[in-house]
Amino acid sequence: GQSLEQPSEVTAVEGAIVQINCTYQTSGFYGLSWYQQHDGGAPTFLSYNALDGLEETGRFSSFLSRSDSYGYLLLQELQMKDSASYFCAVRLTGNQFYFGTGTSLTVIP
Amino acid sequence: DAGITQSPRHKVTETGTPVTLRCHQTENHRYMYWYRQDPGHGLRLIHYSYGVKDTDKGEVSDGYSVSRSKTEDFLLTLESATSSQTSVYFCAATPGTASNTEAFFGQGTRLTVV
Repeated sequence: GQSLEQPSEVTAVEGAIVQINCTYQTSGFYGLSWYQQHDGGAPTFLSYNALDGLEETGRFSSFLSRSDSYGYLLLQELQMKDSASYFCAVRLTGNQFYFGTGTSLTVIP
Repeated sequence: DAGITQSPRHKVTETGTPVTLRCHQTENHRYMYWYRQDPGHGLRLIHYSYGVKDTDKGEVSDGYSVSRSKTEDFLLTLESATSSQTSVYFCAATPGTASNTEAFFGQGTRLTVV
């Protein structure tokens, strides 16, 4: 089976930088995605890494190390609206996507 | 939301009754998925489809079946609902190409089994 681990909760100050880590154990790995979900809403796509290294999209960056089975999501210049749950998800053979249990980010003033 | 519509959005049903949830997409994406979301468990894959009439099990498929007779529609059926199937169900779809792996989610169906 698949196993993904990420912290359950993170708190950070508005304007600061926060990193959410994700480690995974799986077979047939193709890449790592990140999704954001606000309370009561649908998950929305943030980023995808298929290769090792850093991908930057505005205030959000995502990193992957395939050899370490590890990735992280970096959020810069935190805003109150960034308070949400963040999920890492592995993309496997056959385009199956398995999600972690999520990290609840609280941004405080 | 890339045209992903789930119906119904809310449903209360009795234990032992069959329930069908519907997912409709307008973007002609090849891959479709059903997930359930429960506190402390994140999103867990129930079943997925890689084409019309092509489906496979996910990690929590017991008690669920699916059908995909058209590209745009993916149905999830609970043959005999149990209280443990009370959850929020999300449908998703993706082109699944090397250049586009973004999964688009519907707004969810909140199912309560009493």
